[in-house]
Amino acid sequence: DAMVIQNPRYQVTQFGKPVTLSCSQTLNHNVMYWYQQKSSQAPKLLFHYYDKDFNNEADTPDNFQSRRPNTSFCFLDIRSPGLGDAAMYLCATSGTTGLGEKLFFGSGTQLSVL
Amino acid sequence: AQSVTQPDIHITVSEGASLELRCNYSYGATPYLFWYVQSPGQGLQLLLKYFSGDTLVQGIKGFEAEFKRSQSSFNLRKPSVHWSDAAEYFCALTTIKAAGNKLTFGGGTRVLVKP
Repeated sequence: DAMVIQNPRYQVTQFGKPVTLSCSQTLNHNVMYWYQQKSSQAPKLLFHYYDKDFNNEADTPDNFQSRRPNTSFCFLDIRSPGLGDAAMYLCATSGTTGLGEKLFFGSGTQLSVL
Repeated sequence: AQSVTQPDIHITVSEGASLELRCNYSYGATPYLFWYVQSPGQGLQLLLKYFSGDTLVQGIKGFEAEFKRSQSSFNLRKPSVHWSDAAEYFCALTTIKAAGNKLTFGGGTRVLVKP
């Protein structure tokens, strides 16, 4: 049974048109992460939530925002997608932010920008 | 700043043959190292991790990895590859100073398995 669920699996949007990606989890984990993985590149952390505390990476563009209305759900909002934002977006969870805590990943959402 | 390098972008191996994936890291102190696997259409799954102690670490699916401080390496191995091992493999590290359990990933190695 899937524990970290991302919808949709594929998302197509237009240049400049806002888009939202969703992630839900059944693990009741405190921490939820969003990673961006461009083609043939390593996943790159955008931000994470510890409970309701939002932690943004220093180099994450302002174009990327996130919401976590409750423990189970977390959303990635891209306000004005550019062609360079086409990527796989991975959601992950962990129980805590303790050193080496195992991350559980969703299957990802592949975003295309036309 | 820390970094992880996986020198091989693609590796092709015959089913039943052995597999070794290379991982080199750069960090001033002892890192905490991981190997993740990403099968087509799926998320990343943790194979194994190294924090301290025995430098040879056993993981799931018959994988093992060896930490070599002198070489700044953490290579992944499997004695006999199965077709289901075709996937992309990522080496990653975190450090005691990394906030939020942040992982730094290598670029990945895609493994193709020939019948």
